[in-house]
Amino acid sequence: GAVVSQHPSWVICKSGTSVKIECRSLDFQATTMFWYRQFPKQSLMLMATSNEGSKATYEQGVEKDKFLINHASLTLSTLTVTSAHPEDSSFYICSARDPREGDTGELFFGEGSRLTVL
Amino acid sequence: GQNIDQPTEMTATEGAIVQINCTYQTSGFNGLFWYQQHAGEAPTFLSYNVLDGLEEKGRFSSFLSRSKGYSYLLLKELQMKDSASYLCAAADSNYQLIWGAGTKLIIKP
Repeated sequence: GAVVSQHPSWVICKSGTSVKIECRSLDFQATTMFWYRQFPKQSLMLMATSNEGSKATYEQGVEKDKFLINHASLTLSTLTVTSAHPEDSSFYICSARDPREGDTGELFFGEGSRLTVL
Repeated sequence: GQNIDQPTEMTATEGAIVQINCTYQTSGFNGLFWYQQHAGEAPTFLSYNVLDGLEEKGRFSSFLSRSKGYSYLLLKELQMKDSASYLCAAADSNYQLIWGAGTKLIIKP
């Protein structure tokens, strides 16, 4: 099946620094990727939809300047948490659908990235 | 508004059967997904229903009633490795997934 890979799995950073998380589709081309964050014991919260070759679509309440998304190629999307603060500590997960399966196809998730901001 | 409801936590015994319910309210409907998520890991796909009825896949089955806005995930012959959170998600008219908070399933020997 399709595989989505995310890196890094764990990252610890100091407050005020920026952190980049990569999401790659390994065996299909993803024109769209989804970025989620998940706090402990809570649901997945969609942050933004990453679109290859154009600007990302952010959900209400998500700061565009803080969470920079770049979808530079059909297999790579990046999420950069800028000027990270302790409240940004969370589990960030990317996902994508194989476009050959249409809009109701299975969402393939990356492994997730656990960010801890000290 | 759009909403997904599922129980927060359930406990079952190894070898038994458990049913996890999910009710949804969405703007349009394009199907209902179930995902399994082990602690600290990303979700993995279990099932997708868009038509009414029961879909069986090994030990796991998923049911959908569109008229009632209701689905359930049925797990048979429970194993300890089934201890996880089970997420219900409905696709709305824009095919955007609306996620439930997940049901934490605890399996006891």
